[in-house]
Amino acid sequence: AQSVTQLDSQVPVFEEAPVELRCNYSSSVSVYLFWYVQYPNQGLQLLLKYLSGSTLVKGINGFEAEFNKSQTSFHLRKPSVHISDTAEYFCAVSLRGFQKLVFGTGTRLLVSP
Amino acid sequence: KAGVTQTPRYLIKTRGQQVTLSCSPISGHRSVSWYQQTPGQGLQFLFEYFSETQRNKGNFPGRFSGRQFSNSRSEMNVSTLELGDSALYLCASGLDPAGQDRLFGAGTRLSVL
Repeated sequence: AQSVTQLDSQVPVFEEAPVELRCNYSSSVSVYLFWYVQYPNQGLQLLLKYLSGSTLVKGINGFEAEFNKSQTSFHLRKPSVHISDTAEYFCAVSLRGFQKLVFGTGTRLLVSP
Repeated sequence: KAGVTQTPRYLIKTRGQQVTLSCSPISGHRSVSWYQQTPGQGLQFLFEYFSETQRNKGNFPGRFSGRQFSNSRSEMNVSTLELGDSALYLCASGLDPAGQDRLFGAGTRLSVL
């Protein structure tokens, strides 16, 4: 079975500061890795995904993530955050060949001026 | 290109009633998956369908059921509603079951009184 751990439930940060949201996963087989963002009263929007190949993945809104197989991590980073980045961020994995996603518990990013 | 459409957006029911939620995937998409989101349990997988066949099912009681029609639209049904069924129900559609792509709808917020 697969599992995802997001160690930080909440990350406060000042505007224009860098941020890293941590994600660790567990799986005995290869998986796809995803980061989603959720704004209040909305669905999930895909930020980026790792399927294979280059371990550094660039996504929308200036976000990027690095897949580290040895540490089973997929941390999300942004060099300079904006107020509008305030939202809930979810890390997720899926088995290759299936639509089912297993989600972490989410990290609330709070950006203040 | 229209996105994933979930209807209704909001729903209020009382304990013991049943409810049916609808999901219309993006045109051409044949894979649909459903998730329940609650503050306590987070995002949990319910079902996954492809070409009218259920490929995967989450760990939910038999009161939760679903189906997919020949036009790829999907419905999920919850019978004998309990207070704990209050949640945001999210649907995602994908081109195929490979798991590389999926787009989420805005969700249906169900309140059980």
